[in-house]
Amino acid sequence: DAKTTQPNSMESNEEEPVHLPCNHSTISGTDYIHWYRQLPSQGPEYVIHGLTSNVNNRMASLAIAEDRKSSTLILHRATLRDAAVYYCILRDVSGTYKYIFGTGTRLKVLA
Amino acid sequence: NAGVTQTPKFQVLKTGQSMTLQCAQDMNHEYMSWYRQDPGMGLRLIHYSVGAGITDQGEVPNGYNVSRSTTEDFPLRLLSAAPSQTSVYFCASSYLRGHLYEQYFGPGTRLTVT
Repeated sequence: DAKTTQPNSMESNEEEPVHLPCNHSTISGTDYIHWYRQLPSQGPEYVIHGLTSNVNNRMASLAIAEDRKSSTLILHRATLRDAAVYYCILRDVSGTYKYIFGTGTRLKVLA
Repeated sequence: NAGVTQTPKFQVLKTGQSMTLQCAQDMNHEYMSWYRQDPGMGLRLIHYSVGAGITDQGEVPNGYNVSRSTTEDFPLRLLSAAPSQTSVYFCASSYLRGHLYEQYFGPGTRLTVT
């Protein structure tokens, strides 16, 4: 299974953009890039996913490098409610369908 | 839709006891999975299933059994509880095909083994 590498923690000021990086240098052509976040004392929740092109939804944007070896989750205006652990996951849709979570990035939002 | 439901919310077991954690979903998802999350850690995949009658091992399957007799239910059985199995257990489900790969997670079961 391809692995992802994320910084352990990041800080952001409220109402500023946040760029959360993820490296996945061993990504294969059939791996989708997924992002989830886990708020305190809750189960993870889906944020966004993509394959090759950049993606936008109401929660965030996903920027994928041209070689697909890295991606960045962009929160356009961080709020205190965005404080969570953010996980970048590769999902192989041609084989085992395993979702393997890494350790994630703990985002702290400062008021 | 109730989404993904898990019971119980909390459970305390003595070492050596067995129990079953229940997970159910009402979204007709083919894919279901179980994770454990130890304090301050990420989620680790225990077992998963791609449809009724089909299960497979994840990263940390030892000490756990699963079965998938229906699309809706995916129970996790602890055969002989050990203190190392103290954790929060999350069940999740998703579609398997098409572009709807979003996983929905249940609220979790907090298990303590003494």
